[in-house]
Amino acid sequence: AQSVSQHNHHVILSEAASLELGCNYSYGGTVNLFWYVQYPGQHLQLLLKYFSGDPLVKGIKGFEAEFIKSKFSFNLRKPSVQWSDTAEYFCAVNVSYNTDKLIFGTGTRLQVFP
Amino acid sequence: DGGITQSPKYLFRKEGQNVTLSCEQNLNHDAMYWYRQDPGQGLRLIYYSQIVNDFQKGDIAEGYSVSREKKESFPLTVTSAQKNPTAFYLCASSIYPLAGDSYEQYFGPGTRLTVT
Repeated sequence: AQSVSQHNHHVILSEAASLELGCNYSYGGTVNLFWYVQYPGQHLQLLLKYFSGDPLVKGIKGFEAEFIKSKFSFNLRKPSVQWSDTAEYFCAVNVSYNTDKLIFGTGTRLQVFP
Repeated sequence: DGGITQSPKYLFRKEGQNVTLSCEQNLNHDAMYWYRQDPGQGLRLIYYSQIVNDFQKGDIAEGYSVSREKKESFPLTVTSAQKNPTAFYLCASSIYPLAGDSYEQYFGPGTRLTVT
């Protein structure tokens, strides 16, 4: 069965530090990739997505992610985090033959201190 | 304002009682989904529906039931058979994902269910 791994469960950073959150998936075929964010008390919302084309994807609020097919990875990055980036981040994948099902990672809790 | 509403935000029930969680969307989306979120486990798919009067089991459907009588509504019933019902429940919707296509899912605010 397909799965998504987020190895960083809890990340603590100071403002202006750079961020990279890991995401790896286990499926050898065509995938669609997503990063969602859940700010405290708010809806889960889409940060960015990759379906095809340029493997470097830019999302909202200065986030970007790079799809590296050979590494089965879709890591999320931001060069300089802000206190307002404190949230839980989820990587998600669906596979080309079953786009109904979105498989989520376990999430990474990011805390940014001023 | 388009979006997904879930009510109530907090729900408390006694063990052995069935409880129904509401999910309504006005995005004109065909597909709707129910997830369960537990700390450290991410989101797990309970049921999903691509069109009215049709739905499929997700990965953890046991102890849950759904109906899809209207495009806008996809209520979830947590039955007394669900062994560990206390959780945060999220409803989502998307444009119907045709074969080979994919669309992002839009999420509601969630309902936190506590069963004692």
